[in-house]
Amino acid sequence: AQTVTQSQPEMSVQEAETVTLSCTYDTSESDYYLFWYKQPPSRQMILVIRQEAYKQQNATENRFSVNFQKAAKSFSLKISDSQLGDAAMYFCAYRERIQGAQKLVFGQGTRLTINP
Amino acid sequence: NAGVTQTPKFRILKIGQSMTLQCTQDMNHNYMYWYRQDPGMGLKLIYYSVGAGITDKGEVPNGYNVSRSTTEDFPLRLELAAPSQTSVYFCASRGMETQYFGPGTRLLVL
Repeated sequence: AQTVTQSQPEMSVQEAETVTLSCTYDTSESDYYLFWYKQPPSRQMILVIRQEAYKQQNATENRFSVNFQKAAKSFSLKISDSQLGDAAMYFCAYRERIQGAQKLVFGQGTRLTINP
Repeated sequence: NAGVTQTPKFRILKIGQSMTLQCTQDMNHNYMYWYRQDPGMGLKLIYYSVGAGITDKGEVPNGYNVSRSTTEDFPLRLELAAPSQTSVYFCASRGMETQYFGPGTRLLVL
């Protein structure tokens, strides 16, 4: 079964600086999707960014970008110009295919603290 | 357009009680999912459905049941609640290539 590993339980960064969250995954598939979700204290799961494995170009969404290294099975999230509202748990997720349902497999999460 | 809604937001159950967690989506998505999130952990799949009348087990289905009689609704039933089922439960539906999550139900079994 596919697994997703986030090796940083906690990270902190000064406001306005850049931080990178790490994620590695294990799969034998060649076609898949990777996601970063943000979970603020409200517990709502919010999609931050999505990467298709067949695309070599790294996805970007405003201040959020990824470094997708398919051969290394690495998928890190870079947050530029960190803001206080970025403080949250961040989960990396891999989209697995099961009988067409394509379930998500989540990492353990990284708690990001923004220091003012 | 409310997206994915869940009720209740919070519930305390006694050991051995039963309850149903409600989930409704108004996006006409065929795929729906139930996850649980234990403290400090990521989400784990309990059950999923690929359309009305079709459900299947996920990673941690024991102690739960689901049904899918309509496209919109995907209730999760807990029978004989146990302390190990204390968790936050998330319902999600999938459209295009993305899963959209409800706000979660926090369940405490004492």
